[in-house]
Amino acid sequence: ELVLTQSPATLSLSPGERATLSCRASQSVRIYLAWYQQKPGQAPRLLIYDASNRATGVPARFSGSGSGTDFTLAISSLEPEDSAVYYCQQRTSWPLTFGGGTKVEIK
Amino acid sequence: EVQLLESGGGLVQPGGSLRLSCEASGFTFSNYPMSWVRQAPGKGLEWVSTLSGTSALIFYADSVKGRFTISRDNSKNTLYVQMNSLRAEDTAVYYCARRTYSGNDWGAFDLWGQGTMVTVSS
Repeated sequence: ELVLTQSPATLSLSPGERATLSCRASQSVRIYLAWYQQKPGQAPRLLIYDASNRATGVPARFSGSGSGTDFTLAISSLEPEDSAVYYCQQRTSWPLTFGGGTKVEIK
Repeated sequence: EVQLLESGGGLVQPGGSLRLSCEASGFTFSNYPMSWVRQAPGKGLEWVSTLSGTSALIFYADSVKGRFTISRDNSKNTLYVQMNSLRAEDTAVYYCARRTYSGNDWGAFDLWGQGTMVTVSS
């Protein structure tokens, strides 16, 4: 099973600051990595697919990068509504797997 | 409106069975691979199962293989999962989710339902 490791577990930043979230795969997933945002009590929402493509309606402050085993989700200037847990997910091999999540807290 | 609506969750005893449904609307359901993803209380996301638009291809997580059966009725725009031999560790919110597709390439989960809670307890 392909394991995705996300870091840090928690990120606490102020509005306007830049957030950088990491996702590392146990083997290459090429570019087939997605990022989701989940707020409390809500379903996940697709933010980024295939490493760097923003999903429909996702603000431009969200960007994804990386390939192979190392990926980054960046939020350029944090807004209060960005408080959430962020998950990465790979679709290169079965079983599909998710990372353990990074919780972003806004101070 | 494009949406997915799950139903069928509830409290069930260990060893029991439950069938979840997910009704789709606002898009051509039969075109899309569909999946179930679950989330135990306070935990992360876990993929459960996926099947193709025609039901020709089906995949399961090892944790549910042999106990869960995914299916769909394209005439009713509905996805199902039959869950048998339920265990305490199956307790979770179950989401249905649509995967994008381009030919034979299945992509990310771009549409999610609101989830339905399944509790396995005596």
